[in-house]
Amino acid sequence: EIVLTQSPGTLSLSPGERATLSCRASQSVSSSYLAWYQQKPGQAPRLLIYGASSRATGIPDRFSGSGSGTDFTLTISRLEPEDFAVYYCQQYGSSLNTFGQGTKVEIK
Amino acid sequence: EVQLVESGGGLVQPGRSLRLSCAASGFTFDDYAMHWVRQAPGKGLEWVSGISWNSGSIGYADSVKGRFTISRDNAKNSLYLQMNSLRAEDTALYYCAKAPGQWLVPTYFDYWGQGTLVTVSS
Repeated sequence: EIVLTQSPGTLSLSPGERATLSCRASQSVSSSYLAWYQQKPGQAPRLLIYGASSRATGIPDRFSGSGSGTDFTLTISRLEPEDFAVYYCQQYGSSLNTFGQGTKVEIK
Repeated sequence: EVQLVESGGGLVQPGRSLRLSCAASGFTFDDYAMHWVRQAPGKGLEWVSGISWNSGSIGYADSVKGRFTISRDNAKNSLYLQMNSLRAEDTALYYCAKAPGQWLVPTYFDYWGQGTLVTVSS
């Protein structure tokens, strides 16, 4: 099983600032099969990024994903008020999908 | 518009059974694999089970293997999860999630329902 470790656990930033979230895998993720999701309180997760860097339908271009192998990054170029939420990475390169533990982006 | 509506959750005693349902609309249901993902209160996401478009390929997390059974009825645009021998650690919000393709792996989840809460307690 591939273990995903997200850091930091909590990111305290102000609107307009840049957010950089990390997702590190315990072994290489094949073919960059890594996705990112956003979850707000009381809501279902929403797909942001798949294939490490492809934005899902309707996702603003301030969200971008990068990385390969074992190190992946989600960047939010300028935080909007609606971006404060918990973010999860997921690897789907193995038969067993696994998620990271999440990074909470909170208002400073 | 893709819609996934889960039902069937509730309070159940340890060792008992429960059947979850997911009603799908807004897309051609039998073209896509479907999955169940759960989230324990205040915790992260855990993939539970998935089924390919034609039910030919099925997978389970080790934590539920042998106790849970996933199935689908393409004529009814519905996904199911039969949960037997429930344990306290199965307490979670159970989400129905759509895959972007027909097959079980590799896959992410492009649409999610709002979830149905399962509480296992005596």
